[in-house]
Amino acid sequence: KQEVTQIPAALSVPEGENLVLNCSFTDSAIYNLQWFRQDPGKGLTSLLLIQSSQREQTSGRLNASLDKSSGRSTLYIAASQPGDSATYLCAVIRGGGADGLTFGKGTHLIIQP
Amino acid sequence: DAGVTQSPTHLIKTRGQHVTLRCSPISGHKSVSWYQQVLGQGPQFIFQYYEKEERGRGNFPDRFSARQFPNYSSELNVNALLLGDSALYLCASSLAGEGTEAFFGQGTRLTVV
Repeated sequence: KQEVTQIPAALSVPEGENLVLNCSFTDSAIYNLQWFRQDPGKGLTSLLLIQSSQREQTSGRLNASLDKSSGRSTLYIAASQPGDSATYLCAVIRGGGADGLTFGKGTHLIIQP
Repeated sequence: DAGVTQSPTHLIKTRGQHVTLRCSPISGHKSVSWYQQVLGQGPQFIFQYYEKEERGRGNFPDRFSARQFPNYSSELNVNALLLGDSALYLCASSLAGEGTEAFFGQGTRLTVV
């Protein structure tokens, strides 16, 4: 059974810092990995999708990497802003997709002004 | 273009009642998936439908059922509600069923009293 772990569970940093969120998964037979952002009580916003054949994806200040063989992904946020405060979720899906996305519990991020 | 829309946004039900939640996918998307998210946890996969057929089912009791209509919208039904069914129910749509990028709605907050 696929398990996804996110470290740290919570993080509080001053505005302007660069930071790294970590995600690990136990079964490397994934089809893709997706990073999401969730604001309190809201739905999920897709940030980045990395196909299993890719090593990284970038969108603005965000960069996500994938090391499928070691079962790890990182989300790098550059020059953090108070508006980046949210919970960040990592999810993986197997080939075929019939099992749906398997999520970690998320990293709760607070950026202090 | 409209994103994924879910209705209602909030709902309060009594134990033992039945509930129907609705989801309209992004135009052109043929796959809809349902997830349950309890406080402090990542979303848990309930169902996936693609081209009106069930393609995947998570570890949920038979009280949970779903269907997809010819216009690709979907309903999630839960019978004999329990207090533990209180959660945020999320719908995700994607172009196809093979692990393509998932886009989520804002969710339906269900409270069972």
